[in-house]
Amino acid sequence: QKEVEQDPGPLSVPEGAIVSLNCTYSNSAFQYFMWYRQYSRKGPELLMYTYSSGNKEDGRFTAQVDKSSKYISLFIRDSQPSDSATYLCAMSDRSTLGRLYFGRGTQLTVWP
Amino acid sequence: EAQVTQNPRYLITVTGKKLTVTCSQNMNHEYMSWYRQDPGLGLRQIYYSMNVEVTDKGDVPEGYKVSRKEKRNFPLILESPSPNQTSLYFCASSTTVGQPQHFGDGTRLSIL
Repeated sequence: QKEVEQDPGPLSVPEGAIVSLNCTYSNSAFQYFMWYRQYSRKGPELLMYTYSSGNKEDGRFTAQVDKSSKYISLFIRDSQPSDSATYLCAMSDRSTLGRLYFGRGTQLTVWP
Repeated sequence: EAQVTQNPRYLITVTGKKLTVTCSQNMNHEYMSWYRQDPGLGLRQIYYSMNVEVTDKGDVPEGYKVSRKEKRNFPLILESPSPNQTSLYFCASSTTVGQPQHFGDGTRLSIL
């Protein structure tokens, strides 16, 4: 079983919809959680970075971490066509900080 | 402009011909890492470096070498490339281990 599981989609929604993206993980030691966005032919860019459990909001984006369920989510409100990209979750733990584990990515299309 | 620069961006080569992909960052970051991205498998870590002269293996180090002689550069070396190393490669860096990583725009390698 992969350390981090993420549904690859594809996910297609109309403009203005609320999008929910999720990852589950098996390593209870993970403490650092990230969401990256990757446009076609580009490298991943950081969207959200959270430590341990809880919520973090940045504009239209909200990241949630539920360590008891080993589940993280990214919500996108009022989605725009410019949000169309692949979204990758990533995580690491304190004891092996140099290692970063990625989900496979979810491909999102927001149509006008 | 803060950036991670990879060269070349595209390369087609043949089995067994040694090649080096360069990575340079201008942010004075301590931590650097290499990943490969394959369809259906997501991003997998090859090697990482927590500082000059300090390198360690990631998930898929076989067939690759790295060196970190200076803080800004972290080249990826394929001594005897094989077709199964055909992939999209990303270099990334961060201020220190555990912090969010900045990615380059990728190098697409095709090994025939």
